[in-house]
Amino acid sequence: DIQMTQSPSSLSASVGDRVTITCRASQSISSYLNWYQQKPGKAPKLLIYAASSLQSGVPSRFSGSGSGTDFTLTISSLQPEDFATYYCQQSYSTIFTFGPGTKVDIK
Amino acid sequence: QLQLQESGPGLVKPSETLSLTCTVSGGSISSSSYYWGWIRQPPGKGLEWIGSIYYSGSTYYNPSLKSRVTISVDTSKNQFSLKLSSVTAADTAVYYCASLQDGDGNWFDPWGQGTLVTVSS
Repeated sequence: DIQMTQSPSSLSASVGDRVTITCRASQSISSYLNWYQQKPGKAPKLLIYAASSLQSGVPSRFSGSGSGTDFTLTISSLQPEDFATYYCQQSYSTIFTFGPGTKVDIK
Repeated sequence: QLQLQESGPGLVKPSETLSLTCTVSGGSISSSSYYWGWIRQPPGKGLEWIGSIYYSGSTYYNPSLKSRVTISVDTSKNQFSLKLSSVTAADTAVYYCASLQDGDGNWFDPWGQGTLVTVSS
C-alpha cells in the first residue's frame, strides 16, 4: 500500500499568515493527490483535487502544488475560518490512503 | 446537486455486523457519472478509507478490513450500503459515505454528514 505522511502534524499561526503544509507519498503517485479540510464535528470538505485544481467554491487563497512524491498545500493569507485539520489523500492506487492530518490552530 | 445521508444503528454489539445505508439524492446512483465510497474516523483520530464501489460493480476494500467488509448498491432505492462483520470496540467511529468523482484520479465529493457508530455491549 502507498503510505502518506504529512508535516507538520500541527501548527499555530495568526490571521494573515502564509501557511504551508506538506504531504509525502511512499512512492510516486503522479498528480493523483487531493486535499481536504475538516472542522470539528463536520464532514471533510474537498479543497484541491489532482494536486493543483481548486474545487469550485473554494477561496483562491488555497493552492496546491507538487507531483511524484512531494506535495504542498498553501494558504496564502490565513483567515479565521481556515482553522481546521487538513488531510491529503492519494488515488494513484485503487487502494486509497489518507495522510494523518495537519491541525492548524490559532497562535 | 448531489446530497448523501447516512443511516443505521448508532450502537452495535461486539461480534455483530455493522450495517449502514447511504441515501443519495440529486442524482441517480446507477449513473455512470458516479462512484461511491465509505470512510470512517475513530474519535479524535484521522480518516480511514474503508472501500469503494464503481459503476461497473467492481469493489475495492482497505486490505486491513477486506475480510469483514461488503459494499453494495441498491438501485431501486438509490442507496448504497456498508456491512462490517465481527465488529470490536476498534470499529467505533464516525462513518461517512461519499461520492467518488473520476477525473485526473479520484476524489471524494460531496460527503454525507457522518454517523457515529459505537461498538459496545
